[in-house]
Amino acid sequence: QQPVQSPQAVILREGEDAVINCSSSKALYSVHWYRQKHGEAPVFLMILLKGGEQKGHEKISASFNEKKQQSSLYLTASQLSYSGTYFCGTESTSYDKVIFGPGTSLSVIP
Amino acid sequence: DTGVSQDPRHKITKRGQNVTFRCDPISEHNRLYWYRQTLGQGPEFLTYFQNEAQLEKSRLLSDRFSAERPKGSFSTLEIQRTEQGDSAMYLCATFLDRASYTDTQYFGPGTRLTVL
Repeated sequence: QQPVQSPQAVILREGEDAVINCSSSKALYSVHWYRQKHGEAPVFLMILLKGGEQKGHEKISASFNEKKQQSSLYLTASQLSYSGTYFCGTESTSYDKVIFGPGTSLSVIP
Repeated sequence: DTGVSQDPRHKITKRGQNVTFRCDPISEHNRLYWYRQTLGQGPEFLTYFQNEAQLEKSRLLSDRFSAERPKGSFSTLEIQRTEQGDSAMYLCATFLDRASYTDTQYFGPGTRLTVL
């Protein structure tokens, strides 16, 4: 089952913060986050594993609530380079396939 | 450049023709996935390999699609008797499995297929 992402789209001014959510109806082993710019392949941001954790990557961080089967991606002090489509990908078990959500389009304007 | 290469980058073919795509993973990556992506959608899982073993193939995939990964190295994806609905970006992604405590998944640049 494809995970659900919200919001579908968001527009930010430089310096503003955003949160992108990903949820699944199935128990999750891991959540992956990717960013894709138009015409390019997705770029891996981070992976969060079962057990509930948070990770940070520069000004982009994420959390994973295993019990709620949810993950959130936090973008702080957004920069123009953050524009793109953000996808979450979920695995139900280890060594499983990664199923991607429909994506969240994020636009950062000056 | 992620170190994952795909060939060709673009392919235009006529309906009914067969096409084959190649993916060369980062050498030590033992997991390899194929995805298909259409405009405005997330990557759609097609199939994946752990070394040379094909572990799963999407039930949405017709028998016209086949993939191989001989010797656990490069992989090929073949589409027989192409249809216009096959037009999409075909992405390969590779992964060094988590047992090695490396958890980065890398996508190749993709092969854009257009079926006329």
